[in-house]
Amino acid sequence: DIQMTQSPSFLSASVGERVTLSCKASQNINKYLDWYQQKLGEAPKLLIYNTNNLHTGIPSRFSGSGSGTDYTLTISSLQPEDVATYFCLQRNSWPTFGAGTKLELK
Amino acid sequence: QVQLKESGPGLVQPSQTLSLTCTVSGFSLTSYHVSWVRQPPGKGLEWMGVIWTGGSTAYNSLLKSRLSISRDISKSQVFLKMNSLQTEDTATYYCARSGDPFDYWGQGVMVTVSS
Repeated sequence: DIQMTQSPSFLSASVGERVTLSCKASQNINKYLDWYQQKLGEAPKLLIYNTNNLHTGIPSRFSGSGSGTDYTLTISSLQPEDVATYFCLQRNSWPTFGAGTKLELK
Repeated sequence: QVQLKESGPGLVQPSQTLSLTCTVSGFSLTSYHVSWVRQPPGKGLEWMGVIWTGGSTAYNSLLKSRLSISRDISKSQVFLKMNSLQTEDTATYYCARSGDPFDYWGQGVMVTVSS
């Protein structure tokens, strides 16, 4: 199975700050990488699919990039409502998730 | 409007079988795959398996011997059955429309395995 490693595990940032989250695959996943936001007590919500495609209704401050084994989610200007845990998911083979990055406000 | 909703028992005894139902609306099970994903308390997400539009299934290799996914197209329902439950199977279980990507999820159902 493809292993997904997210970093950092925990991140504290200020409102308005640019935030970058990383996800590294154990092998090439050909850009089949999605990002999810999960707020406490809620189901995961799709943000970005296939590396850099913004899902319907997601604010443009979210963006994704990457290739091969290394992928990034960027929030251009952190907002209070962005406090959540962020997971990556690879779909190049049987789906596997990263362990998540918990994002909080400083 | 796409919706998925999981239902099932909140408490299952060890060694027993878990049966969950995912009722979908706003799309057809013959047009989109549906996956089951679970999340133990305070932990990450684990893909369990999928039922494809044609009715065939695929399972996480770690769960394959205990897991079965089926559906009733006429009722727009997908079913999960997993046997020999242990305490480590305590989790929130989600169904998700997985037509590349997993774009819509149910609210989840919390299942506790305990005597």
